[in-house]
Parts: sequence; structure tokens; C-alpha cells
Amino acid sequence: QVQLQQSGPGLVKPSQTLSLTCAISGDSVSSNSAAWNWIRQSPSRGLEWLGRTYYRSKWYNDYAVSVKSRITINPDTSKNQFSLQLNSVTPEDTAVYYCARDEGAVAGLYYYYYMDVWGKGTTVTVSS
Amino acid sequence: SSELTQDPAVSVALGQTVRITCQGDSLRSYYASWYQQKPGQAPVLVIYGKNNRPSGIPDRFSGSSSGNTASLTITGAQAEDEADYYCNSRDSSGNLVVFGGGTKLTVL
Repeated sequence: QVQLQQSGPGLVKPSQTLSLTCAISGDSVSSNSAAWNWIRQSPSRGLEWLGRTYYRSKWYNDYAVSVKSRITINPDTSKNQFSLQLNSVTPEDTAVYYCARDEGAVAGLYYYYYMDVWGKGTTVTVSS
Repeated sequence: SSELTQDPAVSVALGQTVRITCQGDSLRSYYASWYQQKPGQAPVLVIYGKNNRPSGIPDRFSGSSSGNTASLTITGAQAEDEADYYCNSRDSSGNLVVFGGGTKLTVL
């Protein structure tokens, strides 16, 4: 059974860096079929995908346009985990942050992807 | 703004059937996945692919797709189905992930 365990501070000061970690059990961050995502949720925005990291013979990252200039997602193969760093945070970055595994497949002419395993979420408040 | 559009709220009488829809151009190439989220909890995958249910999801949940619209149908809605429902897919480029704005389902 795959599980994701999130860790990191719940309070970050404005202009500083938000850092969260997601530890994986039951799967590998180096999986050739999964991608490892960060998603956040605030009352004003619903679910907002932030980015992902995945391994397909080499490492790739994709980031949402809204945070692309401030975000880094890194895999850590030695600890089988991945991390989120979001720089220069403001109160607008206050949200519940989730990590999630993303799998994909093809059915006929359609591709499909789904996030089947989620962390429990970390509430992060940006405030001085 | 989201590239996937959902109605903000839908209601259904207990035991009746309800359809929640998700519209977006990328749905012509990608099946949507659907998530149920109850207050204070992480989202839970309920439908993925053409019409696949993860283990433990009741068979009253089903999915379908036509053109640029994906649908989640609950046949015989139960009180415990009251929740927010989100669709998810890729954007038009296929590289980025997008979520719909969510639909709040009320079971009357």
C-alpha cells in the first residue's frame, strides 16, 4: 500500500521560503510510471496544481505558470522522498498543501492521468 | 482561471441520480479523473480513465465523456456523498495538470 507522509513548518514569514517534504512508502520516487506532485488549496482558489517531478530515464519537472518563477520540486532518491520549495511567499500563499502520486495510461485514442494517492495535507500560514 | 469548468453547486434528492459535469478543450484528448473531498480531508479519487473505479469506491459512481465534456454520475445518491467534487486532467498542451473549480454537491 503506497503512503505519502508530509512534513514541514506550518508557519512561514512573508518573503521567506516555504519548504515541505513528502516521504514515499510502498513505491519509489524513481518510478518509471509515476509522477510526484504538489497541490495546494485555499478557500479562494480550490485545488491548484503547483508542479511535479518524475523520472523517465532522466529527471523532469513541470511547474504551473502561476508559480514557475518561485518554485522548485526536487527528488531525493537516498530518502525516497520529494520536496517543495516556494520562494518569496506572501499571505496569498497561505493554503493547505498536498503531495500526490500521479499515474497515467492510454485507452484507445485517449490518454488519462489520475492522482490515486494523496498525503494528508499540511496547513501553511504565511504571516509575520 | 481554470481550463476545466464545473458548475459551482448541484443538489440532489436522497436516492436520486445526479450528474456533475466538467468542460474543457483538453477533454477531447484526455479522460478526466474525479475526486471527492469532504471537509477537512484530502481529496479521494473516485473515477479515472474511461470509467474506472478504485477499490473501495461504490459502484453508484460512474464516469463518461463526450466531446469536450466529462461527467460524473452518482446513481442513487446517499447522504455520505455530500461533498465537493473536482475534475482533473491535462491542459491543452498536455504538459501541465489542471483542476476544475469544483462542484459542491448537496444531498437533500
